[in-house]
Amino acid sequence: GAGVSQSPRYKVAKRGQDVALRCDPISGHVSLFWYQQALGQGPEFLTYFQNEAQLDKSGLPSDRFFAERPEGSVSTLKIQRTQQEDSAVYLCASSSGGRQPQHFGDGTRLSIL
Amino acid sequence: QKEVEQNSGPLSVPEGAIASLNCTYSDRGSQSFFWYRQYSGKSPELIMFIYSNGDKEDGRFTAQLNKASQYVSLLIRDSQPSDSATYLCAVYAGGTSYGKLTFGQGTILTVHP
Repeated sequence: GAGVSQSPRYKVAKRGQDVALRCDPISGHVSLFWYQQALGQGPEFLTYFQNEAQLDKSGLPSDRFFAERPEGSVSTLKIQRTQQEDSAVYLCASSSGGRQPQHFGDGTRLSIL
Repeated sequence: QKEVEQNSGPLSVPEGAIASLNCTYSDRGSQSFFWYRQYSGKSPELIMFIYSNGDKEDGRFTAQLNKASQYVSLLIRDSQPSDSATYLCAVYAGGTSYGKLTFGQGTILTVHP
């Protein structure tokens, strides 16, 4: 497809379970970003990849959060031992690099029970 | 002080009026500035970006940037009910964190017929 694709759109998990969220960026985009958005707030930066290299992971809230992009295309955000405070919308964005505009996917709404 | 602040909403304007959305940022080294529109339950959609001081117009939208005052705004002319959404201001900071977009909290705009 032409845009950023994220799956699943919705995920419900019990506290303590591990979850994996997938992002397929726009074809050819070297930069990929993950954000977390709480209700009524702007997105908060989590991590950034340029190709397969993770250049900034300063926004990951704890060591339970892990992201990878092994072949420089699809990325996975993994959350281990989920907590209720992890409930949020997780947004993926991609860009052609540098300070070019970022284009967002539809997000994954994660609910932890 | 938050890094990116938007004027508190919600903002309500009549159909056909000009809607004015404001944003200030704290990092004087910031390089690039973006406005995103987000409908309820949807992902942020890029509507404008501006890199240089002055005005940039695209259809009914005008972005204004004043780096000396660390201020960026979005004007929507001839507002339509379909413009009702949350508008997010986002900034690429200077320095090494060039991959990271910092968002404001968003301003809810309602255009009433």
